[in-house]
Amino acid sequence: AQTVTQSQPEMSVQEAETVTLSCTYDTSENNYYLFWYKQPPSRQMILVIRQEAYKQQNATENRFSVNFQKAAESFSLKISDSQLGDTAMYFCAFMKLLPLRDDKIIFGKGTRLHILP
Amino acid sequence: IAGITQAPTSQILAAGRRMTLRCTQDMRHNAMYWYRQDLGLGLRLIHYSNTAGTTGKGEVPDGYSVSRANTDDFPLTLASAVPSQTSVYFCASSEGPGHSPGTEAFFGQGTRLTVV
Repeated sequence: AQTVTQSQPEMSVQEAETVTLSCTYDTSENNYYLFWYKQPPSRQMILVIRQEAYKQQNATENRFSVNFQKAAESFSLKISDSQLGDTAMYFCAFMKLLPLRDDKIIFGKGTRLHILP
Repeated sequence: IAGITQAPTSQILAAGRRMTLRCTQDMRHNAMYWYRQDLGLGLRLIHYSNTAGTTGKGEVPDGYSVSRANTDDFPLTLASAVPSQTSVYFCASSEGPGHSPGTEAFFGQGTRLTVV
């Protein structure tokens, strides 16, 4: 079974700094997807970025980028030029590329990120 | 606006009472999920449905039941609520097994349930 581990329960950084959130996973699959979700105080779950395991190039979305290390089963999220609006809980998630009938999306426990003014 | 709608947004419930959390999506997604979110525990899957007419148990199914009579609706029922079921509940949907890869889960806005 797949597992997703986020080792940083909570982090704080100053506005405009760069911050990296860690995520590791454990799987025997070769093809899969990884996601980072953001949950601001509004409680809404928002997809930040997605990475296909079969792509070597790291995904980027504006100030958000990932460092995907397939062999190390690592999927960290880098937020550049952090903004107050980035304050949120961040969840890492795993999904098989071709999920079988009983497969699900697996989430880590989350990292609470505080951006300080 | 397409998406997932949950109701109610919050509820205070007496222990022992029966409660149904509603979830409706209009994206014609095959798969739907119910998660509970608790501090320090992240999102834990309660039940899921990969297609209308089928359901399955997730990580923490005890005390909950679901049904999937059609594609759009996936209600979660607490037959006899207990204080340990105090949580924030999220409904989500995705394309589901066997469909286009790479589709992420879309979430409702959550239901904050307090059992007293």
